[in-house]
Amino acid sequence: KAGVTQTPRYLIKTRGQQVTLSCSPISGHRSVSWYQQTPGQGLQFLFEYFSETQRNKGNFPGRFSGRQFSNSRSEMNVSTLELGDSALYLCASSLRVDGGGYTFGSGTRLTVV
Amino acid sequence: AQKVTQAQTEISVVEKEDVTLDCVYETRDTTYYLFWYKQPPSGELVFLIRRNSFDEQNEISGRYSWNFQKSTSSFNFTITASQVVDSAVYFCAAHSGNTPLVFGKGTRLSVIA
Repeated sequence: KAGVTQTPRYLIKTRGQQVTLSCSPISGHRSVSWYQQTPGQGLQFLFEYFSETQRNKGNFPGRFSGRQFSNSRSEMNVSTLELGDSALYLCASSLRVDGGGYTFGSGTRLTVV
Repeated sequence: AQKVTQAQTEISVVEKEDVTLDCVYETRDTTYYLFWYKQPPSGELVFLIRRNSFDEQNEISGRYSWNFQKSTSSFNFTITASQVVDSAVYFCAAHSGNTPLVFGKGTRLSVIA
């Protein structure tokens, strides 16, 4: 079966712009989580959605937002981009929220210039 | 909330040597799940193993083995007869039903031919 699909794979944006990243989970998976990976901070949790409801949110400013659609696809948006937002953004899907295995996508590498 | 510590930042070994990656976790939950992921240079997080807190049986899968010890809160990962293709960053992670997946900082393994 198809894995987790993240689009786009690479993105270059200018400071101040906004960006939307997309994640399509494995078919049947209803939980989607987002992570930001940077060399300095490692893998940091952004948010988790299950059946269109945000279950958990990490410690990120309000410029970072997300949503999940009825087909479980998820998007995350970053407004007013800063240089420090340059990172690999990873999405993971899971069948359930309690102990299900998390399958990750290949990520979107965002560069802010 | 969970906390995961991977004290080894980088490890270099010569091909065919055995190598153990350490992971120590902290949690207040009685039910929790532990994971190991591999991240090759391509960036995708590849799932290796998941164990739950009620199953302390150690596991061997080919050249990989895992040692889960609740008494020391450790979940160590050993690669036997390492190969160059094992070179990657390895992440240990923990999760319970109410909290998102939390990652350690990762251990970069370099296997030299």
